[in-house]
Amino acid sequence: QQQVKQSPQSLIVQKGGISIINCAYENTAFDYFPWYQQFPGKGPALLIAIRPDVSEKKEGRFTISFNKSAKQFSLHIMDSQPGDSATYFCAASMRTYKYIFGTGTRLKVLA
Amino acid sequence: SAVISQKPSRDICQRGTSLTIQCQVDSQVTMMFWYRQQPGQSLTLIATANQGSEATYESGFVIDKFPISRPNLTFSTLTVSNMSPEDSSIYLCSVPQPNTGELFFGEGSRLTVL
Repeated sequence: QQQVKQSPQSLIVQKGGISIINCAYENTAFDYFPWYQQFPGKGPALLIAIRPDVSEKKEGRFTISFNKSAKQFSLHIMDSQPGDSATYFCAASMRTYKYIFGTGTRLKVLA
Repeated sequence: SAVISQKPSRDICQRGTSLTIQCQVDSQVTMMFWYRQQPGQSLTLIATANQGSEATYESGFVIDKFPISRPNLTFSTLTVSNMSPEDSSIYLCSVPQPNTGELFFGEGSRLTVL
């Protein structure tokens, strides 16, 4: 029940396309859902986050869609660029800083 | 956001030895966390480093294997003891942003055990 399931494991997108990564959770006590971006050799960097009281949050080209009833949330990267090529992790937490991370999605954006 | 510095950034160690990883934060923080990221895998919380008291370990991690120190509000160390090749991982220090609660990570310490 503590798991966060992430898909796909890897994703290849053409430059300018939309990248979509999905996550699902079981524990309804989770109340914070961040996405992290990690480049090779670097630590994860917070990209965008959402709380369950909203269904969507947008920051630039990055959008989180949140479906509370389905217990799912997704990251959409619009106009994907080669510089977006990285590993993306979703996560969930419940009123603590103990995050449960998804398994990661390796995104490659082709030039 | 807090600036988190980790040392060493990478190291190659022999089986059976121990290595201590340092984490320095540029501001005082109540909580510091240590995560492990095995090759190609996700992040797993090892423990919460508490200032002035013993660290709190997650299931599957024990103090004898991963002793942690937290001498003040800006510094912590994680020791990986009696290393085996299975300990080859990236070890990450993280701290929450005081105002927002967002969790920030250091660059990580990449450990290879031969």
